[in-house]
Amino acid sequence: NAGVTQTPKFRVLKTGQSMTLLCAQDMNHEYMYWYRQDPGMGLRLIHYSVGEGTTAKGEVPDGYNVSRLKKQNFLLGLESAAPSQTSVYFCASSDTGRPQHFGDGTRLSIL
Amino acid sequence: SQKIEQNSEALNIQEGKTATLTCNYTNYSPAYLQWYRQDPGRGPVFLLLIRENEKEKRKERLKVTFDTTLKQSLFHITASQPADSATYLCALGAVSGGYNKLIFGAGTRLAVHP
Repeated sequence: NAGVTQTPKFRVLKTGQSMTLLCAQDMNHEYMYWYRQDPGMGLRLIHYSVGEGTTAKGEVPDGYNVSRLKKQNFLLGLESAAPSQTSVYFCASSDTGRPQHFGDGTRLSIL
Repeated sequence: SQKIEQNSEALNIQEGKTATLTCNYTNYSPAYLQWYRQDPGRGPVFLLLIRENEKEKRKERLKVTFDTTLKQSLFHITASQPADSATYLCALGAVSGGYNKLIFGAGTRLAVHP
């Protein structure tokens, strides 16, 4: 039982480059989330999805886009990476009102 | 604005003692509160959930209290072990726009020494 799987685990980008982070869950959860975690700060919600084909903005959505074409996958895109987007990105999934299940994160450095 | 505070300094305790971690919040009325554990290089793992109408919840060596008047939750680990060393995150929750919105604290690092 894999739970929530994030790829890649590490990535280094140059400013202005683009990339996509992939999240896959095998628990048939309706809801999926993307967070970023920075030192000394709590997890901050970037975007979330309440079901296949739906997405919505979270607390810090600027500079990111998402897509949920399949129920089990939630993609996070950076169109033009900036140093301020250096962070650890976590994906999570859940059912309504239930605790969230997290992946082990993607460590992203923007030079 | 909504704010959630956890002790930023690490908590160091001796093995066998009870660890108590604090979570305070302002400008928020959560329907429930969750505690997660996070190990270095790993994602958070859910531990306990307590609802606004519950005063206390227990699970094995873990106990959580929730005081909506004080706007505070306490997280206790009894008979602590070195394996309990990790960062513990508090998260306030409410159903908003059809999903369970969570606001996370920055976490408190716990170190249990043999």
